[in-house]
Amino acid sequence: GAVVSQHPSRVICKSGTSVKIECRSLDFQATTMFWYRQFPKQSLMLMATSNEGSKATYEQGVEKDKFLINHASLTLSTLTVTSAHPEDSSFYICSASGLLNEQFFGPGTRLTVL
Amino acid sequence: GIQVEQSPPDLILQEGANSTLRCNFSDSVNNLQWFHQNPWGQLINLFYIPSGTKQNGRLSATTVATERYSLLYISSSQTTDSGVYFCAVSSGNTPLVFGKGTRLSVIA
Repeated sequence: GAVVSQHPSRVICKSGTSVKIECRSLDFQATTMFWYRQFPKQSLMLMATSNEGSKATYEQGVEKDKFLINHASLTLSTLTVTSAHPEDSSFYICSASGLLNEQFFGPGTRLTVL
Repeated sequence: GIQVEQSPPDLILQEGANSTLRCNFSDSVNNLQWFHQNPWGQLINLFYIPSGTKQNGRLSATTVATERYSLLYISSSQTTDSGVYFCAVSSGNTPLVFGKGTRLSVIA
């Protein structure tokens, strides 16, 4: 199957700093990428849909100024958590849509804000 | 939007046992995927199965689109099968909607 990488896998930062997470489709081009958030023992919650070359579409309740998404190429999307606070601590997962709309997921990034 | 319900929410199996996980969805879909989330959080694609039946080793899946459900079968379960199994669906070009998952524990 297709491979999606995510970097970093784990990050610890101080409150008020910004953190950038990269999502790459390694062996296919993805016009659409998705960002999810997962709290412990819960399901994945879609944050936004990222289309190459256009603005991301955010789900209701997700602050677009706090979670900046950039999809600059067909293989790279980035999520920047700006002015992070402890409540932003979570597991962030990206996915990329391949042929037939099948989605492939990255390994996730565990963010801890102190 | 589409609703996805998975059952059972939790399942404990003895190693070697078989199990069936169910996914019900509320509307027509053109994408249905089953995932296994391992203890490190990685979502592993098991099946892309908007309809029909597929098999991969000890795992198989069946989706009856007209009746809006899908089943994931695990045979001869192993401790490495432990984790959370998610069903996710979408229609058209909409993003996947996830169920709440089935947490499987296989004990030796």
